[in-house]
Amino acid sequence: DADVTQTPRNRITKTGKRIMLECSQTKGHDRMYWYRQDPGLGLRLIYYSFDVKDINKGEISDGYSVSRQAQAKFSLSLESAIPNQTALYFCATSDTTAARGEQFFGPGTRLTVL
Amino acid sequence: AQTVTQSQPEMSVQEAETVTLSCTYDTSESDYYLFWYKQPPSRQMILVIRQEAYKQQNATENRFSVNFQKAAKSFSLKISDSQLGDAAMYFCAHTTSGTYKYIFGTGTRLKVLA
Repeated sequence: DADVTQTPRNRITKTGKRIMLECSQTKGHDRMYWYRQDPGLGLRLIYYSFDVKDINKGEISDGYSVSRQAQAKFSLSLESAIPNQTALYFCATSDTTAARGEQFFGPGTRLTVL
Repeated sequence: AQTVTQSQPEMSVQEAETVTLSCTYDTSESDYYLFWYKQPPSRQMILVIRQEAYKQQNATENRFSVNFQKAAKSFSLKISDSQLGDAAMYFCAHTTSGTYKYIFGTGTRLKVLA
C-alpha cells in the first residue's frame, strides 16, 4: 500500500464550486505539505503543517485553505474554484527526526476547473 | 530568501550517453539539503539523489551523481549510460535544516533518444 495517498486522483469541476482534496499518510511523519504544479513553474508551496496545531501559509495560499484533522490527514480546500486553479496538486510529508531531510510525495490530484 | 534556478527547460541525450542537468540555488543558511527528484509520465515524484551541504563528497547513486559546488551554489546532476526509462521531468530542490520548507526549481524535461 502507498505511504502517502491522495483522493481524488482526478477531478473536473465548475467555477464557483467548493472542492476538497484529501491527503492521508501512514509514514508517521509530523510534517505535511500541499503543492501545486503548473507547466514551466515547477512545484509551488501552498500550505504546510509541522503538527496538528501548526499550519503555515506558503508562497501561493490565496484562494486556498487547509485543515489538519490528525497527524495523518491534511486536506486542501478551494472555497470557490476558479479556472486558474487548474493544476496538478501534490501532498508531501517529511519527518522532523529524520536526518535525511527528504520529502515523500503522494500520487497527485489532477484538478480541472471549467 | 531561498531560490532554486534550473536554466534548462529541456535537454536531450542519446541512449547510453551522459547528460548533465544544471541547478543553482541561493541561501544564506549554512546547514541545508539539496535534492534531485524525477517525475516520469506517471507523475509520481521520485527521489533520485540527495546531498547534505556539510558533506564535501559528491553524492552518487548508481548511474546518478552530482557535482556539488558549495561556493558557487551549484548542484548539477549527471546521468551516465542514459536509458529510455530516464526520460522524465527532473526537479532540483532545496531545504534548510530547521525550517524544512522546500523550494523547487521549474524543472528540466529530459528526452532520451534511441
